[in-house]
Amino acid sequence: DGGITQSPKYLFRKEGQNVTLSCEQNLNHDAMYWYRQDPGQGLRLIYYSQIVNDFQKGDIAEGYSVSREKKESFPLTVTSAQKNPTAFYLCASSIDRQETQYFGPGTRLLVL
Amino acid sequence: KNQVEQSPQSLIILEGKNCTLQCNYTVSPFSNLRWYKQDTGRGPVSLTIMTFSENTKSNGRYTATLDADTKQSSLHITASQLSDSASYICVVGLSGYSTLTFGKGTMLLVSP
Repeated sequence: DGGITQSPKYLFRKEGQNVTLSCEQNLNHDAMYWYRQDPGQGLRLIYYSQIVNDFQKGDIAEGYSVSREKKESFPLTVTSAQKNPTAFYLCASSIDRQETQYFGPGTRLLVL
Repeated sequence: KNQVEQSPQSLIILEGKNCTLQCNYTVSPFSNLRWYKQDTGRGPVSLTIMTFSENTKSNGRYTATLDADTKQSSLHITASQLSDSASYICVVGLSGYSTLTFGKGTMLLVSP
């Protein structure tokens, strides 16, 4: 069953804690992305990667970090520097940057 | 500034009725326009994608139109079903760039 998966579905973060959100795809897509979605706002790009071992900052990269060691995986770490992390996080992938993006089911991050 | 504006913000219709959602954009240079459907708590799913030369695209009961001169697009839903209840997001891509600009979405509720 091909697709893009995210885990966990819900994640709780304590003050000062780093947390990592998982994103895996078996679509053989080169490009992967992380978006943040807040109520009443459009999706905002955090980071994107066009190829393994390469990634670029999006519009709201501060307080986040990523890695792209494998084509299939693009984990996002929400660091303690991100002061307002509560949001719905969406991972997506596409054949390349100009093609349709396919989204995962999302991870909802809540701060305790 | 590149912007995508959607209207209405929310809409309630009776099951079986038709509806039309609007999208106006100021994105330039324009490359393509996409409509996504997002069920509550899930990732967006692509409905249609149109390039500059296309003025209509259908996907089952969903028909998207594009007027590149006036920078307007619409999504028409025919014979609505309860499962159409979702947020519909208009997304515009820039030519020569890899950036997408997302609208805030129209929340549609189909009532029995």
